[in-house]
Amino acid sequence: RKEVEQDPGPFNVPEGATVAFNCTYSNSASQSFFWYRQDCRKEPKLLMSVYSSGNEDGRFTAQLNRASQYISLLIRDSKLSDSATYLCVVFTGGFKTIFGAGTRLFVKA
Amino acid sequence: DAGITQSPRHKVTETGTPVTLRCHQTENHRYMYWYRQDPGHGLRLIHYSYGVKDTDKGEVSDGYSVSRSKTEDFLLTLESATSSQTSVYFCAISESAGGVSEQYFGPGTRLTVT
Repeated sequence: RKEVEQDPGPFNVPEGATVAFNCTYSNSASQSFFWYRQDCRKEPKLLMSVYSSGNEDGRFTAQLNRASQYISLLIRDSKLSDSATYLCVVFTGGFKTIFGAGTRLFVKA
Repeated sequence: DAGITQSPRHKVTETGTPVTLRCHQTENHRYMYWYRQDPGHGLRLIHYSYGVKDTDKGEVSDGYSVSRSKTEDFLLTLESATSSQTSVYFCAISESAGGVSEQYFGPGTRLTVT
């Protein structure tokens, strides 16, 4: 079993739609959680950190459920520019940061 | 954007040859990392550095070595390239150790071993 698992997708949604991604992690002692965004043939970039109480940044909402060991990312009012791969990232301590394989999103006009 | 460059950006090499990839940063961050990214896998840590001349192994370090003689430069060497090392290699930097803070990535190096 992978330490961080994501649905690879692709998710194909129309502009304006709401889409949600989930990510599960296996290490209950994981400390920090993030969502990164990676455009095709580009480097990953931090989208947002995920806090225990949940957090929002514009159209993006991240949630953490420690009991069930998953994090989620909700994108509202999808834009064409949201098309990318979204990476779930979990920091378990020391220098161990685990990256999920990513969920691909295509937003269509 | 964080000042991170990688060179070369693309390289094709033959099995058995040594290859060195360079990462250069202008942010003066203490921590630097080398990852590889392959289809179906997340980024996997090869080696990392926590200071000049201070390096350690990551998850997939076999066949790779690193050196850091200056804060700004982190070199990754494939001692004898194999086809399984065909991948996209990303360098990253951070202000704090591991995943406590954001990691900033370089543009990547696409390496093909024939």
